[in-house]
Amino acid sequence: DTGVSQDPRHKITKRGQNVTFRCDPISEHNRLYWYRQTLGQGPEFLTYFQNEAQLEKSRLLSDRFSAERPKGSFSTLEIQRTEQGDSAMYLCASSLASGGPYNEQFFGPGTRLTVL
Amino acid sequence: SQQGEEDPQALSIQEGENATMNCSYKTSINNLQWYRQNSGRGLVHLILIRSNEREKHSGRLRVTLDTSKKSSSLLITASRAADTASYFCAPAAAGNKLTFGGGTRVLVKP
Repeated sequence: DTGVSQDPRHKITKRGQNVTFRCDPISEHNRLYWYRQTLGQGPEFLTYFQNEAQLEKSRLLSDRFSAERPKGSFSTLEIQRTEQGDSAMYLCASSLASGGPYNEQFFGPGTRLTVL
Repeated sequence: SQQGEEDPQALSIQEGENATMNCSYKTSINNLQWYRQNSGRGLVHLILIRSNEREKHSGRLRVTLDTSKKSSSLLITASRAADTASYFCAPAAAGNKLTFGGGTRVLVKP
């Protein structure tokens, strides 16, 4: 399977704990995006990378959230001191940047986070 | 805030009927993408329409885009039970960042 993969698929944690999620994009894709989706809502943009550079962060991304893409391949999203409001599905997507801004994004299956 | 807004929020039709849903957005875009999401599953890309295109087809799907009205529509023809899902429009601005609406939940009854 050469699609976008995310790990873990499910994470249950206690409030105050730190969690880290991983995303592996489609191998030739140089853009990687993180979104968050709560029940009954559409995904909300969090941040995106082009290669290893983080180009934009949403104001939704508080200082407890940090994302990295150290070698321009996989990415990690860390949430420190989790709160119950962080419970959501965290989605990763990747796309090509070449050829202009007309490229579809391919989504992974998501990581469902539950904060108790 | 989410830029794309779908209408209606929910739609129930009989198998074989057509389903139409609309999307409105607020600012200028590079392209607009439509996605489908089955319950509890990931998002599946359906179709991308560029800002200089007015209509696009893919199988049983037809998408229109009116940039003067900042609106788009998705038509699913000859619906099937397997089309039951939530459908999201996602206007894409600089960086191809997608801004999703709340989606239209479509139920196709056999």
